Amino acid sequence: GEDVEQSLFLSVREGDSSVINCTYTDSSSTYLYWYKQEPGAGLQLLTYIFSNMDMKQDQRLTVLLNKKDKHLSLRIADTQTGDSAIYFCAETGYSSASKIIFGSGTRLSIRP
Amino acid sequence: GAVVSQHPSWVICKSGTSVKIECRSLDFQATTMFWYRQFPKQSLMLMATSNEGSKATYEQGVEKDKFLINHASLTLSTLTVTSAHPEDSSFYICSAREQGGIQPQHFGDGTRLSIL
Repeated sequence: GEDVEQSLFLSVREGDSSVINCTYTDSSSTYLYWYKQEPGAGLQLLTYIFSNMDMKQDQRLTVLLNKKDKHLSLRIADTQTGDSAIYFCAETGYSSASKIIFGSGTRLSIRP
Repeated sequence: GAVVSQHPSWVICKSGTSVKIECRSLDFQATTMFWYRQFPKQSLMLMATSNEGSKATYEQGVEKDKFLINHASLTLSTLTVTSAHPEDSSFYICSAREQGGIQPQHFGDGTRLSIL
């Protein structure tokens, strides 16, 4: 079945760039998402990319998609303490009825 | 932008009580909504797909009689945890997406359910 994998932890120094990686198995994925979850809160959509795109940039966030390798990454420039959270990679198909498959989440911690 | 509202945000109740959680799409119509459960420090587990006007589709291992889902309108889905027990304590999150396949999924803020 479909699977989405990501590393569990990432620690970066404040001001550095954070790169969170994700791999997926479903070649029919249409949308690939990055969600942020802070403690006790729901999921906040950070950004998403269509499968026909290679890159998307939105302020401090850059998403890179390598469809051949089924690899997705999220780069956060100038990481701040407020970026501490769990980041979920997810994929889904085109239909509004398509299930979302989530990765396990990467816990990003920021060192002073 | 599209917003999904979930209510209540936190429930504490006694064992044996039934608890209803509402999920509303505030500015769009959603024929399909999704219900997830999240255990501490874990990812989201899809419980069921809620379909407007028809029965929900449950994932393997999820008891349909335990977790009743009703999707009576294009903007509202409800999840009722029947005769809740401490093991049902969890974080429940709903999501929805606008029809047309253009917009991404939007999530509610979640409901923290604690059964004493």
